[in-house]
Amino acid sequence: ETGVTQSPTHLIKTRGQQVTLRCSSQSGHNTVSWYQQALGQGPQFIFQYYREEENGRGNFPPRFSGLQFPNYSSELNVNALELDDSALYLCASSLDRNTGELFFGEGSRLTVL
Amino acid sequence: KQEVTQIPAALSVPEGENLVLNCSFTDSAIYNLQWFRQDPGKGLTSLLLIQSSQREQTSGRLNASLDKSSGRSTLYIAASQPGDSATYLCAVTDDMRFGAGTRLTVKP
Repeated sequence: ETGVTQSPTHLIKTRGQQVTLRCSSQSGHNTVSWYQQALGQGPQFIFQYYREEENGRGNFPPRFSGLQFPNYSSELNVNALELDDSALYLCASSLDRNTGELFFGEGSRLTVL
Repeated sequence: KQEVTQIPAALSVPEGENLVLNCSFTDSAIYNLQWFRQDPGKGLTSLLLIQSSQREQTSGRLNASLDKSSGRSTLYIAASQPGDSATYLCAVTDDMRFGAGTRLTVKP
């Protein structure tokens, strides 16, 4: 059974660019959620996808968008990057949207210059 | 809106000590509370999940308890080791709300 995998692990972008981060959910999991974690803080919820539909969103602007594919893998897209978008982006999968246990990937470290 | 707080932000103990990490939440109508460990620059590793019908969960040297009425959960670590040094986070997974974590250092 493979765990949650994320790519890329590190990337550097400049302000105004766009970025796509990818996440493969754990085998058998149909729900994926994305988080932004700034240094020294807890993860902040961006949004959740359940069976290819958005199933909840945190307090993030529309330039943060996502997709979930039929195999339940997911993408996080961020447009018009700002310096404050520099953070560790974490993906978590769960067995089902009503199942509380989250399993995280290792994250994608984004630096915006 | 659910708020999750972890105090203290940092804790340093000598090896072998038993310790308790605290997690407080403002809305007691929760179903799931999960504890995680995070090493620097890494993802979150699940330690224990406590569901609302449970009062506590145990895994090895770790024991987590949940008291919904008081809005508190505690993570007890027995016989701490230097390898336990990490940041420990709690989360109310119903609301996707995380605490900021307690950074634990266990000194040899």
